[in-house]
Amino acid sequence: AQTVTQSQPEMSVQEAETVTLSCTYDTSESDYYLFWYKQPPSRQMILVIRQEAYKQQNATENRFSVNFQKAAKSFSLKISDSQLGDAAMYFCAYESGGSNYKLTFGKGTLLTVNP
Amino acid sequence: DTAVSQTPKYLVTQMGNDKSIKCEQNLGHDTMYWYKQDSKKFLKIMFSYNNKELIINETVPNRFSPKSPDKAHLNLHINSLELGDSAVYFCASSVRSSGANVLTFGAGSRLTVL
Repeated sequence: AQTVTQSQPEMSVQEAETVTLSCTYDTSESDYYLFWYKQPPSRQMILVIRQEAYKQQNATENRFSVNFQKAAKSFSLKISDSQLGDAAMYFCAYESGGSNYKLTFGKGTLLTVNP
Repeated sequence: DTAVSQTPKYLVTQMGNDKSIKCEQNLGHDTMYWYKQDSKKFLKIMFSYNNKELIINETVPNRFSPKSPDKAHLNLHINSLELGDSAVYFCASSVRSSGANVLTFGAGSRLTVL
């Protein structure tokens, strides 16, 4: 079974600074997808960014980018120019390729943004 | 218009009662899900339906029974509620994009069992 590990239960960053959240996963598959979801205090789960394992290029979405290291099974999220609205719980998630419909989540990292 | 809507958002009930949570999506997605988030914020899949057919049942007690009357609706009924059922339940729907299942979540339903 696949597992997703987020080793940082909590992180903090100063507004306008950059922060990197770590995620590692364990799989024997070569075809899979990785995601970062954000859960602010409102409780709503919001997709931040996703990466297809077959793509070598790291995904970026505005201030959010990932560092995908397939051999190391690492998928970190970098948030640049942090804003107060970035404060949230961040979850890394894994989905097997093929017709799999199951997302496996990590335990989350609580990000605090200090003004 | 809310894309994935769940009702109720909050539910407080006594042990032993039966309760339901309803979910509707207006995105035209074929696949819908129920996820459970426990008190430590851990998210785990419970069920998944594709075109009204159950495709994932993740070792959930049979006190939990999902029902999908059509592909836009997925309801969750829980019998004989226990203290450990207290959690936030998220409904979601998904569409495949470049092979990945991209989920859109509802706002969650917080269930408290006393």
